Amino acid sequence: DAKTTQPPSMDCAEGRAANLPCNHSTISGNEYVYWYRQIHSQGPQYIIHGLKNNETNEMASLIITEDRKSSTLILPHATLRDTAVYYCIVRVGAAGNKLTFGGGTRVLVKP
Amino acid sequence: EAGVTQFPSHSVIEKGQTVTLRCDPISGHDNLYWYRRVMGKEIKFLLHFVKESKQDESGMPNNRFLAERTGGTYSTLKVQPAELEDSGVYFCASRISSTDTQYFGPGTRLTVL
Repeated sequence: DAKTTQPPSMDCAEGRAANLPCNHSTISGNEYVYWYRQIHSQGPQYIIHGLKNNETNEMASLIITEDRKSSTLILPHATLRDTAVYYCIVRVGAAGNKLTFGGGTRVLVKP
Repeated sequence: EAGVTQFPSHSVIEKGQTVTLRCDPISGHDNLYWYRRVMGKEIKFLLHFVKESKQDESGMPNNRFLAERTGGTYSTLKVQPAELEDSGVYFCASRISSTDTQYFGPGTRLTVL
């Protein structure tokens, strides 16, 4: 699985958009970008994933650059409950493979 | 629909003792995964069941760890004998084969004294 690089931490104001970057310069053509998050004292939670097109669901949007070497997770209106560690994971999708977690980005949403 | 459940939520044991963790996946999910986070480290994969069969156990740290999934429903992870470095949070996740999303349980916090 391709290695990812994320900033260790970032703050965000409540009600504003949170933009979380992820670099994955060695991504292969058949690898997807997945985002999970872990809220304190809970298990990781799936957010969104994509291959090359931008994706949106009820939780977030995923923007993948044209060369696929980086992506951005967007939380459109951050709330205090979005405070968590966010993990960007790149792997071959739809194969049931294990998830390889890195250090993630610790996001603190402030009032 | 109930999510992935894990029991116990916390366990404190002494070095050398045995502990068994249990995971109940979401009903109908044939894939079951175990992960753990030890102190200060990243979440690491342990193993993957498809129904009752071990699909991938490459992450199991050593032979003190034994995972089972008899009948392809719930799974247990036994640590025998437990060592200090086994302390951490053990997560279970399940997935239905028709999708790629893994759903995680709340974890079991294991403390070995």
